[in-house]
Amino acid sequence: DTAVSQTPKYLVTQMGNDKSIKCEQNLGHDTMYWYKQDSKKFLKIMFSYNNKELIINETVPNRFSPKSPDKAHLNLHINSLELGDSAVYFCASSREGAYAEAFFGQGTRLTVV
Amino acid sequence: SQQGEEDPQALSIQEGENATMNCSYKTSINNLQWYRQNSGRGLVHLILIRSNEREKHSGRLRVTLDTSKKSSSLLITASRAADTASYFCATDPSWGNNRLAFGKGNQVVVIP
Repeated sequence: DTAVSQTPKYLVTQMGNDKSIKCEQNLGHDTMYWYKQDSKKFLKIMFSYNNKELIINETVPNRFSPKSPDKAHLNLHINSLELGDSAVYFCASSREGAYAEAFFGQGTRLTVV
Repeated sequence: SQQGEEDPQALSIQEGENATMNCSYKTSINNLQWYRQNSGRGLVHLILIRSNEREKHSGRLRVTLDTSKKSSSLLITASRAADTASYFCATDPSWGNNRLAFGKGNQVVVIP
């Protein structure tokens, strides 16, 4: 069973479109994250959700919005997509507290054309 | 936000050799973690070292942490072709909030 699953794996879309990436974890974790990995493989945290509350919101454009319908899901909505949004987006989860390792999904490669 | 910075960023070695990569960070940490990423896949946790630990082993992995120098190293002994991947360090700052900050990663290629 996949611990952290995200869909779709690949997403190709035109500039200006709105798209969503879904993420689900079956680990019973309290905290979920979205990371963005650019073409140089630099991994940057975008959001973190703990018990349905946003606890981290890095300097991410407000075109990006996380939505958590329940503890096991954290979806990422992106409005008015731009070329610079092209990247690989990773969902992850961890238990709450110190010394917690993160479990990652397989990633969604978003290409904006 | 705090970021780990690995050095060197690309390493090519022969199977059986040891691979060493370093990571530096800038602020106080609660713990430091190493992850592996195979091409086209998500990151997989390898090992966690707490701020009060200096060395930790897990199988062929050896991690050191020097909090006075704000640096860590990951050693993979007796490398195998399957070790070919990118390796990232991630720091968990002492102020908590599960805020792992990742660096750019080291690309390691093990030649059979």
